[in-house]
Formats: sequence, structure tokens, C-alpha cells
Amino acid sequence: EVQLVESGGGLVQPGGSLRLSCTASGFTFSSYWMHWVRQTPGKGLVWVSRVNGDGGNTNYADSVKGRFTISRDNAKSTLYLQVNSLRVEDTAVYYCARDRVVGANGAFDIWGQGTMVTVSS
Amino acid sequence: EIVLTQSPGTLSLSPGERVTLSCRASQSVSSTYLAWYQQKPGQAPRLLIYGASSRATGIPDRFSGSGSGTDFTLTISRLEPEDFAVYYCQQYGSAPRTFGQGTKVEIK
Repeated sequence: EVQLVESGGGLVQPGGSLRLSCTASGFTFSSYWMHWVRQTPGKGLVWVSRVNGDGGNTNYADSVKGRFTISRDNAKSTLYLQVNSLRVEDTAVYYCARDRVVGANGAFDIWGQGTMVTVSS
Repeated sequence: EIVLTQSPGTLSLSPGERVTLSCRASQSVSSTYLAWYQQKPGQAPRLLIYGASSRATGIPDRFSGSGSGTDFTLTISRLEPEDFAVYYCQQYGSAPRTFGQGTKVEIK
């Protein structure tokens, strides 16, 4: 079964850090671009970051640039998001998602269940 | 960045009705790189439509997508009880990839 499972969320104080993980199974992880998308409580979806198949090319939303770092370990079929200098407005459910098309722009065809990050003092 | 505006914000409908949801882009979406997702409470989004009009794997044929350029539509030909949810459009042709704010389809 093709699956993504996130972990690593939690409650953190403003200025704090977390590392989110997303473990993939059921497909050749290294072939696919992977993304992080977040959703604030009761609000819509916002794209956060993207990494290509070998991890050498990354992109970020302006709101997280310089604070978040996306990476991947293809040997472990795991995607990461290191989130630093957290702000209250970073509070959200963070989803990892797979690009449908190998090596090119595609819609997000597989999503994890999400992991909640709460930033509060 | 391409801004996607969905309308209406909420639709109150009965099972069996036909639904038409709109997604308008602030500039042309490259190569019809437009997707639609369904999200139910407490769940991750599910891909329904990609490439503006292609159904994703396992999606019933009552769901259809159309449009190009800046105007796109998701149609549900006959609402089933499990279709009551929030629907989002997304463009993935230009960085950053952006989503619309969503349309909630609720039971009347």
C-alpha cells in the first residue's frame, strides 16, 4: 500500500525548533519530488516547501524561507522538515505530499495524515 | 504568485443535486496545471482531478473538471452523502504552488 506517515509535531514555545518526519512506503521514494503543505486550524491549505528526488533542489514559501529546511534520506524513504525560529503563526497541521508525476510538476496524489505543530508560550 | 479565488464560499444542497464549483486564477495557469481536492473533517485532502479534467485513480465519474486559462470548474453530477466536504483548487504550474480558499458543500 502506498502510504506516507508523518511524525514529530508537538507543542513548542515561540523561537523553538522541531524536526518533522514523513516516512514513505509502497513506492520508489527516491523517484518523486516531495512537498510539505500546512493548514492552520479552520483555514485553508498553504504550500510550504518542495524537494526534488535526490535532495539537491529545494524551494520554500517566502513565509518560511531562512527558518525551515527540507531534506530527505532516500535510503530510509524519509522526508524531513526542520522548523526553526517558530512563530505563533506557524501553528498548523503539517502534511507531507507526493508529486504525482515522476520528476516533473504534478498534483499531490498521496498525502500523509498530518502532524500538528502548536507554537505557544 | 497566482491567487486562486473559489466561489461560492459555501453551498447548501441536498443529496442528488448537481453541483458546480468555480475557481478563478489571477493569471493564466500554465498547461492546465490545475487540480481539485476534497477534504473531510479530520482527514488529509484527497486528489480528485488533475490537469484540469483528468480524474485521479479511483475517483467516481460523477466528478468532472473543466476549464483553461484563468477559469476552471469542478462539477459533481449528482451529490452522494459522502460528497459533503470542502473542495480546494490548486495550481501547480507556477511557483509557489497555490491553493484556493476552499468551497464548503454542506447538507441543506
